[in-house]
Amino acid sequence: DVKVTQSSRYLVKRTGEKVFLECVQDMDHENMFWYRQDPGLGLRLIYFSYDVKMKEKGDIPEGYSVSREKKERFSLILESASTNQTSMYLCASSLPSAWSGELFFGEGSRLTVL
Amino acid sequence: GDSVTQMEGPVTLSEEAFLTINCTYTATGYPSLFWYVQYPGEGLQLLLKATKADDKGSNKGFEATYRKETTSFHLEKGSVQVSDSAVYFCALITSNTGNQFYFGTGTSLTVIP
Repeated sequence: DVKVTQSSRYLVKRTGEKVFLECVQDMDHENMFWYRQDPGLGLRLIYFSYDVKMKEKGDIPEGYSVSREKKERFSLILESASTNQTSMYLCASSLPSAWSGELFFGEGSRLTVL
Repeated sequence: GDSVTQMEGPVTLSEEAFLTINCTYTATGYPSLFWYVQYPGEGLQLLLKATKADDKGSNKGFEATYRKETTSFHLEKGSVQVSDSAVYFCALITSNTGNQFYFGTGTSLTVIP
Protein backbone atom coordinates (compact mmCIF):
# COMPACT_ATOMS: atom_id res chain seq x y z
CA ASP A 1 0.00 0.00 0.00
CA VAL A 2 1.41 3.37 -1.01
CA LYS A 3 2.15 5.68 1.82
CA VAL A 4 3.05 9.23 2.71
CA THR A 5 3.99 9.49 6.36
CA GLN A 6 4.19 12.70 8.35
CA SER A 7 6.25 12.45 11.47
CA SER A 8 3.93 14.21 13.91
CA ARG A 9 0.13 14.36 13.94
CA TYR A 10 -0.04 17.05 16.61
CA LEU A 11 2.53 19.59 17.76
CA VAL A 12 2.39 22.47 20.20
CA LYS A 13 5.20 25.02 20.01
CA ARG A 14 5.94 28.43 21.44
CA THR A 15 6.40 31.63 19.47
CA GLY A 16 9.96 31.93 18.22
CA GLU A 17 10.74 28.22 18.34
CA LYS A 18 12.20 26.43 15.34
CA VAL A 19 9.86 23.75 14.03
CA PHE A 20 10.61 20.79 11.77
CA LEU A 21 7.87 18.88 10.00
CA GLU A 22 9.05 15.70 8.35
CA CYS A 23 7.47 13.82 5.47
CA VAL A 24 8.53 10.49 3.97
CA GLN A 25 7.05 8.71 0.96
CA ASP A 26 7.68 5.14 -0.14
CA MET A 27 6.50 5.41 -3.75
CA ASP A 28 9.75 6.67 -5.32
CA HIS A 29 7.92 9.83 -6.42
CA GLU A 30 9.91 12.71 -7.86
CA ASN A 31 7.51 15.46 -6.77
CA MET A 32 6.78 16.40 -3.18
CA PHE A 33 4.66 19.22 -1.82
CA TRP A 34 3.84 21.04 1.39
CA TYR A 35 0.41 22.65 1.79
CA ARG A 36 -1.28 24.35 4.66
CA GLN A 37 -5.00 23.92 5.17
CA ASP A 38 -7.10 26.58 6.88
CA PRO A 39 -10.89 26.81 7.22
CA GLY A 40 -12.42 28.82 4.40
CA LEU A 41 -9.11 29.04 2.54
CA GLY A 42 -8.72 25.47 1.37
CA LEU A 43 -5.24 24.21 0.57
CA ARG A 44 -2.47 26.66 -0.17
CA LEU A 45 0.87 25.56 -1.55
CA ILE A 46 3.89 26.54 0.51
CA TYR A 47 6.74 24.84 -1.37
CA PHE A 48 7.26 21.97 -3.72
CA SER A 49 10.21 19.96 -4.94
CA TYR A 50 10.56 18.08 -8.20
CA ASP A 51 13.91 16.48 -7.45
CA VAL A 52 16.48 16.00 -4.73
CA LYS A 53 17.94 19.34 -3.62
CA MET A 54 15.49 21.21 -5.87
CA LYS A 55 12.73 23.42 -4.52
CA GLU A 56 10.22 25.91 -5.82
CA LYS A 57 8.18 28.48 -3.94
CA GLY A 58 4.47 28.06 -3.89
CA ASP A 59 1.86 30.68 -3.15
CA ILE A 60 2.74 31.35 0.50
CA PRO A 61 6.44 30.62 1.16
CA GLU A 62 7.06 33.49 3.59
CA GLY A 63 8.19 32.28 6.99
CA TYR A 64 8.95 28.77 5.74
CA SER A 65 11.86 26.90 4.23
CA VAL A 66 12.25 23.33 2.99
CA SER A 67 14.90 20.67 2.63
CA ARG A 68 15.09 17.70 0.31
CA GLU A 69 18.35 15.82 0.79
CA LYS A 70 16.93 12.43 -0.17
CA LYS A 71 14.28 11.56 -2.72
CA GLU A 72 11.90 10.05 -0.19
CA ARG A 73 12.07 12.82 2.42
CA PHE A 74 10.82 16.41 2.29
CA SER A 75 11.06 18.59 5.37
CA LEU A 76 9.25 21.84 6.15
CA ILE A 77 11.02 24.23 8.49
CA LEU A 78 9.59 27.14 10.41
CA GLU A 79 12.68 29.12 11.44
CA SER A 80 10.83 31.16 14.05
CA ALA A 81 7.27 30.03 14.61
CA SER A 82 4.54 32.63 14.92
CA THR A 83 0.92 32.33 16.02
CA ASN A 84 -0.33 32.93 12.47
CA GLN A 85 1.39 29.70 11.47
CA THR A 86 -1.04 27.70 13.57
CA SER A 87 -2.58 25.42 10.96
CA MET A 88 -2.91 21.95 9.51
CA TYR A 89 0.08 21.06 7.33
CA LEU A 90 -0.30 18.47 4.59
CA CYS A 91 2.50 16.75 2.71
CA ALA A 92 1.88 15.16 -0.68
CA SER A 93 3.80 13.40 -3.42
CA SER A 94 3.24 12.63 -7.10
CA LEU A 95 4.87 11.31 -10.22
CA PRO A 96 6.45 13.86 -12.60
CA SER A 97 3.46 13.86 -14.95
CA ALA A 98 1.21 15.10 -12.18
CA TRP A 99 -1.12 16.82 -14.59
CA SER A 100 -2.66 13.51 -15.56
CA GLY A 101 -2.05 11.72 -12.30
CA GLU A 102 -2.83 12.32 -8.68
CA LEU A 103 -1.44 13.59 -5.45
CA PHE A 104 -0.94 11.21 -2.54
CA PHE A 105 -1.36 12.88 0.82
CA GLY A 106 -0.18 12.20 4.32
CA GLU A 107 -2.58 12.40 7.25
CA GLY A 108 -1.51 15.90 8.18
CA SER A 109 0.30 17.60 11.04
CA ARG A 110 -1.71 19.96 13.18
CA LEU A 111 0.56 22.67 14.55
CA THR A 112 -0.46 25.03 17.33
CA VAL A 113 1.84 27.97 18.07
CA LEU A 114 1.25 29.60 21.44
CA GLY B 1 -4.49 32.91 -13.48
CA ASP B 2 -5.74 29.41 -12.75
CA SER B 3 -8.33 28.94 -10.03
CA VAL B 4 -11.17 26.80 -8.78
CA THR B 5 -14.40 28.01 -7.20
CA GLN B 6 -16.64 25.60 -5.36
CA MET B 7 -19.89 26.06 -3.51
CA GLU B 8 -19.80 27.19 0.07
CA GLY B 9 -20.72 24.78 2.80
CA PRO B 10 -21.48 23.27 5.06
CA VAL B 11 -24.01 20.99 3.42
CA THR B 12 -26.26 18.78 5.53
CA LEU B 13 -28.34 16.04 3.91
CA SER B 14 -30.45 13.15 5.05
CA GLU B 15 -29.35 9.65 4.11
CA GLU B 16 -30.39 8.65 0.56
CA ALA B 17 -30.72 12.27 -0.57
CA PHE B 18 -29.27 13.50 -3.86
CA LEU B 19 -26.00 15.42 -3.67
CA THR B 20 -24.61 18.12 -5.92
CA ILE B 21 -21.50 20.12 -5.10
CA ASN B 22 -20.78 22.79 -7.69
CA CYS B 23 -17.31 23.48 -9.01
CA THR B 24 -16.25 25.93 -11.71
CA TYR B 25 -12.77 26.69 -12.90
CA THR B 26 -10.63 29.24 -14.69
CA ALA B 27 -7.63 27.90 -16.54
CA THR B 28 -5.06 29.45 -18.85
CA GLY B 29 -4.13 26.08 -20.31
CA TYR B 30 -6.00 22.84 -20.84
CA PRO B 31 -6.79 21.47 -17.39
CA SER B 32 -7.20 18.07 -15.84
CA LEU B 33 -9.87 18.16 -13.14
CA PHE B 34 -10.09 16.28 -9.87
CA TRP B 35 -12.28 15.76 -6.84
CA TYR B 36 -10.49 14.90 -3.61
CA VAL B 37 -12.17 13.81 -0.39
CA GLN B 38 -10.96 14.24 3.19
CA TYR B 39 -12.59 12.01 5.78
CA PRO B 40 -12.43 13.13 9.42
CA GLY B 41 -8.92 12.88 10.83
CA GLU B 42 -7.36 11.84 7.53
CA GLY B 43 -5.44 13.36 4.65
CA LEU B 44 -6.96 14.00 1.24
CA GLN B 45 -7.44 11.16 -1.19
CA LEU B 46 -8.39 11.16 -4.84
CA LEU B 47 -12.09 10.48 -5.42
CA LEU B 48 -12.28 10.85 -9.21
CA LYS B 49 -10.74 12.68 -12.12
CA ALA B 50 -11.30 13.68 -15.76
CA THR B 51 -8.55 14.70 -18.12
CA LYS B 52 -10.42 15.98 -21.19
CA ALA B 53 -13.68 17.65 -22.12
CA ASP B 54 -16.84 15.53 -21.85
CA ASP B 55 -15.02 12.87 -19.81
CA LYS B 56 -16.97 11.55 -16.85
CA GLY B 57 -15.08 10.53 -13.74
CA SER B 58 -16.77 8.12 -11.36
CA ASN B 59 -15.99 6.28 -8.14
CA LYS B 60 -17.94 4.99 -5.11
CA GLY B 61 -21.22 6.16 -6.65
CA PHE B 62 -19.94 9.70 -7.21
CA GLU B 63 -19.77 11.20 -10.70
CA ALA B 64 -18.52 14.41 -12.28
CA THR B 65 -18.48 15.45 -15.94
CA TYR B 66 -15.85 17.77 -17.41
CA ARG B 67 -17.87 20.52 -19.14
CA LYS B 68 -15.62 22.80 -21.15
CA GLU B 69 -18.48 24.99 -22.40
CA THR B 70 -19.52 25.91 -18.85
CA THR B 71 -16.04 25.44 -17.28
CA SER B 72 -17.59 23.21 -14.65
CA PHE B 73 -16.95 19.89 -12.91
CA HIS B 74 -19.88 19.41 -10.54
CA LEU B 75 -19.84 16.44 -8.16
CA GLU B 76 -23.02 14.35 -7.88
CA LYS B 77 -24.24 11.29 -6.05
CA GLY B 78 -27.70 9.86 -6.32
CA SER B 79 -28.06 8.53 -2.79
CA VAL B 80 -25.67 9.63 -0.05
CA GLN B 81 -24.76 7.57 2.99
CA VAL B 82 -23.63 8.54 6.47
CA SER B 83 -20.16 7.28 5.52
CA ASP B 84 -19.95 10.00 2.81
CA SER B 85 -19.65 12.68 5.49
CA ALA B 86 -16.38 14.41 4.65
CA VAL B 87 -14.88 17.53 3.11
CA TYR B 88 -14.78 17.55 -0.70
CA PHE B 89 -12.22 19.53 -2.70
CA CYS B 90 -12.31 20.35 -6.38
CA ALA B 91 -8.88 20.79 -7.99
CA LEU B 92 -7.20 21.37 -11.31
CA ILE B 93 -3.81 21.16 -12.89
CA THR B 94 -2.76 22.30 -16.36
CA SER B 95 0.27 21.97 -18.53
CA ASN B 96 0.86 25.66 -17.85
CA THR B 97 1.00 25.17 -14.09
CA GLY B 98 3.61 22.46 -14.33
CA ASN B 99 3.31 20.37 -11.22
CA GLN B 100 1.15 22.77 -9.24
CA PHE B 101 -2.40 21.82 -8.32
CA TYR B 102 -5.00 24.49 -7.56
CA PHE B 103 -7.62 23.57 -4.98
CA GLY B 104 -11.02 24.99 -4.13
CA THR B 105 -11.81 25.96 -0.56
CA GLY B 106 -13.56 22.69 0.21
CA THR B 107 -17.19 21.83 0.93
CA SER B 108 -18.08 20.07 4.15
CA LEU B 109 -20.81 17.44 3.84
CA THR B 110 -22.66 15.92 6.78
CA VAL B 111 -25.12 13.11 6.13
CA ILE B 112 -27.58 12.40 8.92
CA PRO B 113 -29.42 9.08 9.36
